[in-house]
Amino acid sequence: LAKTTQPISMDSYEGQEVNITCSHNNIATNDYITWYQQFPSQGPRFIIQGYKTKVTNEVASLFIPADRKSSTLSLPRVSLSDTAVYYCLVLDLENKLTFGTGTQLKVEL
Amino acid sequence: GAGVSQSPRYKVAKRGQDVALRCDPISGHVSLFWYQQALGQGPEFLTYFQNEAQLDKSGLPSDRFFAERPEGSVSTLKIQRTQQEDSAVYLCASSLAGSNEQYFGPGTRLTVT
Repeated sequence: LAKTTQPISMDSYEGQEVNITCSHNNIATNDYITWYQQFPSQGPRFIIQGYKTKVTNEVASLFIPADRKSSTLSLPRVSLSDTAVYYCLVLDLENKLTFGTGTQLKVEL
Repeated sequence: GAGVSQSPRYKVAKRGQDVALRCDPISGHVSLFWYQQALGQGPEFLTYFQNEAQLDKSGLPSDRFFAERPEGSVSTLKIQRTQQEDSAVYLCASSLAGSNEQYFGPGTRLTVT
């Protein structure tokens, strides 16, 4: 089965919107997509979860197309403190929890 | 409130030694997960408990890896006869029943020399 893949890295500037996409074409049909943020030497921290269409909370939005084979995390108006690695997490068709390959986001002034 | 704690934070073991890594989940969290994270990579699922029952251990890489949660709270991941390829950060996470929101501990960095 294909891995759950993400771009390796993204660069942005403070105040910009950042969109990070995860490709998960082997996702199980009945579970949520979850996104996490990880800083160096820390465990991942939950950002947002969704099943389909669009979900928004106080820190991010999550866009999921109808086929659920990908998802896009949107971070509005990023700041320096958003510099971190971002992971999607899905349950795959083998019923295995699978993290994406991770995206290193670097935010500059 | 207290989050998930793990101990030790750092462990150096000589090849062939046995190690035990402890996880204290958030009180009341039914589900508990263990992951292995190699340097520069995403976490890889190892095993999952619901209360004291180990419902999935499909991610354990070999029979040298063993996890337990005898009273449905604290969990221990044991690695026997450690090998260099076992060097990684071992993450523990817990969650409420039926929730996809996992709370992670800071991890234990294991280095096998």
